[in-house]
Amino acid sequence: KAGVTQTPRYLIKTRGQQVTLSCSPISGHRSVSWYQQTPGQGLQFLFEYFSETQRNKGNFPGRFSGRQFSNSRSEMNVSTLELGDSALYLCASIGTSTDTQYFGPGTRLTVL
Amino acid sequence: TQLLEQSPQFLSIQEGENLTVYCNSSSVFSSLQWYRQEPGEGPVLLVTVVTGGEVKKLKRLTFQFGDARKDSSLHITAAQPGDTGLYLCAGASFQKLVFGTGTRLLVSP
Repeated sequence: KAGVTQTPRYLIKTRGQQVTLSCSPISGHRSVSWYQQTPGQGLQFLFEYFSETQRNKGNFPGRFSGRQFSNSRSEMNVSTLELGDSALYLCASIGTSTDTQYFGPGTRLTVL
Repeated sequence: TQLLEQSPQFLSIQEGENLTVYCNSSSVFSSLQWYRQEPGEGPVLLVTVVTGGEVKKLKRLTFQFGDARKDSSLHITAAQPGDTGLYLCAGASFQKLVFGTGTRLLVSP
């Protein structure tokens, strides 16, 4: 069974640009969560999608958005990038229980 | 705001030693997970504990969920260099995970 796939693995952008990250969950999983990990703040919840609907949202500005497609693949978008958006962005695939989440390798975003 | 505090933040030990990592909160969680993360990779799920007082063993790792479901501990017996990594606890609440502050473990040969 294939694991969680995230693309790209690394990204370098400049301030003011926007970025789109992609996540393919484990086959059969219908829910995906996104997290931001930084050395200072640790792992913080961004949002969760289930069957193409955002079910839960963390405390991040509106520049952070996401969506989920009918095949359960998910994308997250960050507009008007700021230096502080530099982080490892992690996607988690969720099966029948929200409690158990399986993470992808992450996308390392660097904003210059 | 739900917070999970882990202690210690850093731990550097020699191969063969035992250690315990603590995860504490003032909030009640429906379950608690432990993950290990290596540099540049996503967290890997080690265990999920659900019932207050529950103890789970995974080879040399022993996980315990507090009776009140607010805290947990991870005990490693005879640590090995392969145990090196960032250990994260995460509490499940309202369809999201709240992550702990992390414990960075270094096991030297």
